[in-house]
Amino acid sequence: GAVVSQHPSRVICKSGTSVKIECRSLDFQATTMFWYRQFPKQSLMLMATSNEGSKATYEQGVEKDKFLINHASLTLSTLTVTSAHPEDSSFYICSARTGGGWGAYEQFFGPGTRLTVL
Amino acid sequence: TQLLEQSPQFLSIQEGENLTVYCNSSSVFSSLQWYRQEPGEGPVLLVTVVTGGEVKKLKRLTFQFGDARKDSSLHITAAQPGDTGLYLCASRNNAGNMLTFGGGTRLMVKP
Repeated sequence: GAVVSQHPSRVICKSGTSVKIECRSLDFQATTMFWYRQFPKQSLMLMATSNEGSKATYEQGVEKDKFLINHASLTLSTLTVTSAHPEDSSFYICSARTGGGWGAYEQFFGPGTRLTVL
Repeated sequence: TQLLEQSPQFLSIQEGENLTVYCNSSSVFSSLQWYRQEPGEGPVLLVTVVTGGEVKKLKRLTFQFGDARKDSSLHITAAQPGDTGLYLCASRNNAGNMLTFGGGTRLMVKP
């Protein structure tokens, strides 16, 4: 399957700072990338859908000014957690979708980034 | 958005036992995927089922899609400690361009 990488894998920051997480599709072009958030012992919750060259679509309850998403190229999307607070501590997972019509695409997941805000 | 309910939420068994995990919805699935996620990693796709009544096998894992395409099950035979992880079912939205995940079943297999 296709490979999706995330960087960094772990980050610890102080409250009030901003943190950028990168998501890259290594061997395919991804017109659409997804950002998920996962709290301990819970499932993945979709935060936003990012399309290359356009603004991200955020799920209800997700603050777009807090979680800035940039999808500047077909292989890179970034999530910036601005003015991070301890409640933002979580496991952030990105996913990249291959092209194709309905039913012809697959979604591949990155290894996740664990953010800890002190 | 289609709601997916998984049961049980948590399962702790001894090595060698069999188990079944369920994924249900009140509406019809267009297709359903099962993922396995280990701690600190992203989910990995195990299987996609599309046709009602479909059964797929992956070594000791058997995936079944209900005839009405409203439910699915994952059966593991002779579980091993390496099967420990979070099992997630997921379905696509009507447009087919987004996945929604169930709540997950956390499996622990003790040696």
